[in-house]
Amino acid sequence: AQKVTQAQTEISVVEKEDVTLDCVYETRDTTYYLFWYKQPPSGELVFLIRRNSFDEQNEISGRYSWNFQKSTSSFNFTITASQVVDSAVYFCALSHTGFSGYSTLTFGKGTMLLVSP
Amino acid sequence: NAGVTQTPKFRILKIGQSMTLQCTQDMNHNYMYWYRQDPGMGLKLIYYSVGAGITDKGEVPNGYNVSRSTTEDFPLRLELAAPSQTSVYFCASSPFDRVTYEQYFGPGTRLTVT
Repeated sequence: AQKVTQAQTEISVVEKEDVTLDCVYETRDTTYYLFWYKQPPSGELVFLIRRNSFDEQNEISGRYSWNFQKSTSSFNFTITASQVVDSAVYFCALSHTGFSGYSTLTFGKGTMLLVSP
Repeated sequence: NAGVTQTPKFRILKIGQSMTLQCTQDMNHNYMYWYRQDPGMGLKLIYYSVGAGITDKGEVPNGYNVSRSTTEDFPLRLELAAPSQTSVYFCASSPFDRVTYEQYFGPGTRLTVT
């Protein structure tokens, strides 16, 4: 069965600190995709990144970076020099292709990040 | 750029009442999804659809029904509402037939059953 674990329920940092959000997943699929979504206090879900299981290159986008390690089934997300606007709940998600050939997402429980001035 | 729209934004139901949560997307996406989000529990998939006339159950389908008569619309029906259905409901759509691309989410509907 698919499973996504975000062990950190809540993280509090002070502005300009670096912070890493952990994501560990379980799957029997050989091909899968991993995602990170952001949910700010306004409630909408914002797509941040997608990574497929064959691409273990780390990715950097501005202050955001992602570290995908297939050997440890982890897809961690780091925010460098955090800002108050980064305060949100962050979800890691894993795709699964069922017998029907169609795919769905399994979400972790989320990590709430609080960045104080 | 409407994207995915959901109505209503808020609703209070009494136990046993029924209602339909509306979801419409204007991006011509084949895939559409309904999730519920309970506090501290992430999102759980209720139902999904891969095209007009084709729907399938997700992880938590009990107490809900869906239909997909057009590409644009994917309503979620609650029959005999129960307090356990108090949650925030999100509709999403995706352009391809595999979850290789992002899902676009609506703003959510906050439902309270009392």
